[in-house]
Amino acid sequence: GQNIDQPTEMTATEGAIVQINCTYQTSGFNGLFWYQQHAGEAPTFLSYNVLDGLEEKGRFSSFLSRSKGYSYLLLKELQMKDSASYLCAGMDSNYQLIWGAGTKLIIKP
Amino acid sequence: GAVVSQHPSRVICKSGTSVKIECRSLDFQATTMFWYRQFPKQSLMLMATSNEGSKATYEQGVEKDKFLINHASLTLSTLTVTSAHPEDSSFYICSARGETSGGPEETQYFGPGTRLLVL
Repeated sequence: GQNIDQPTEMTATEGAIVQINCTYQTSGFNGLFWYQQHAGEAPTFLSYNVLDGLEEKGRFSSFLSRSKGYSYLLLKELQMKDSASYLCAGMDSNYQLIWGAGTKLIIKP
Repeated sequence: GAVVSQHPSRVICKSGTSVKIECRSLDFQATTMFWYRQFPKQSLMLMATSNEGSKATYEQGVEKDKFLINHASLTLSTLTVTSAHPEDSSFYICSARGETSGGPEETQYFGPGTRLLVL
């Protein structure tokens, strides 16, 4: 079966760094996406990894290891506005996204 | 680039009425559009996938006759909730995928969502 696992909730301090992990099992693999979703709003695209390694975009970075079926999203210099749910999604061989349940990130001052 | 709009943002209707939600890709052509539903504090649930000019593919458990999807052009898809009931109250979100300048072609870009309340 296809499955995406990520922690339900994480707490971090403003200004710190946090890493949100995701493990995936998909039928075939065409990439791994991270989205941010603030409460009551639709998801917004953060990153896409299809090759192994780290992709950096400002304060956010995303890492992929295809052999381990593993990805993480790294958020640096945390700001209060980063409080949101972070959704991990794997794309299968049919180009369908398999969604994780999301990790709720709580930032404390 | 890669902007998706959705209208209306909120709708309240009486039980038994039909509600139409529009999803538009504003600055790119969407070869594929997706419709999701999300209940409070739950994950996104894919309802159906539609390609321009062809019938939508519905996920298991989603009633085709209740949730009518039309993808008449490369920039517009509509979802009509027919004979809505209180249990249909939810957050409906569309997304679109196509060639954009914003990121990989496989990326889904989401509309802002429509909050439906059926009384």
